[in-house]
Amino acid sequence: EPEVTQTPSHQVTQMGQEVILRCVPISNHLYFYWYRQILGQKVEFLVSFYNNEISEKSEIFDDQFSVERPDGSNFTLKIRSTKLEDSAMYFCASSERVQGDSYEQYFGPGTRLTVT
Amino acid sequence: AQKVTQAQTEISVVEKEDVTLDCVYETRDTTYYLFWYKQPPSGELVFLIRRNSFDEQNEISGRYSWNFQKSTSSFNFTITASQVVDSAVYFCALSEARGGSYIPTFGRGTSLIVHP
Repeated sequence: EPEVTQTPSHQVTQMGQEVILRCVPISNHLYFYWYRQILGQKVEFLVSFYNNEISEKSEIFDDQFSVERPDGSNFTLKIRSTKLEDSAMYFCASSERVQGDSYEQYFGPGTRLTVT
Repeated sequence: AQKVTQAQTEISVVEKEDVTLDCVYETRDTTYYLFWYKQPPSGELVFLIRRNSFDEQNEISGRYSWNFQKSTSSFNFTITASQVVDSAVYFCALSEARGGSYIPTFGRGTSLIVHP
């Protein structure tokens, strides 16, 4: 069964450093998403991406964040200058459509980001 | 604004007990989707069910069942004859159309602990 994959599973970085989290969505999916879950808290939407551009973003997704689909398979989240409060689990998701029967978002296993 | 409330922070049961996880939502839209996700200790998010606002039929899938009641804005999840493997955090989520896309808002989750 196709699945969303994410690398690395765990990333440790120092405050102020740039990190890139990588995701490979399901191959026939057109819509891509990033979510964040601070330890013990709820899952929060960051950004959605379609047709090579951001379609929606939350207030969390400030200028420190960017997303890119550098090739036909990868979808990346970059944090330019990490802060301690960026420590969280980051989930990538993809969906075939945004509504209707094939709307379900399939989540990857997550990347745990630890900023020290 | 949409909102999802999972009032039960943690539920502890003994194996084979039935357990119901509550979810109450708020929305002004007439068209929306409701979801349940499971997050086992390994951290990934597992999609369990999607229900659209026009389909109030209850659903049963093995030991899992869902009761959607628009009159009380609730979408409760029952596990029958719970097992230790059911131990996880369960998230209810709501999505309504925003600019054509349906981005879910998650509740804070209910941690279910099933003791042998």
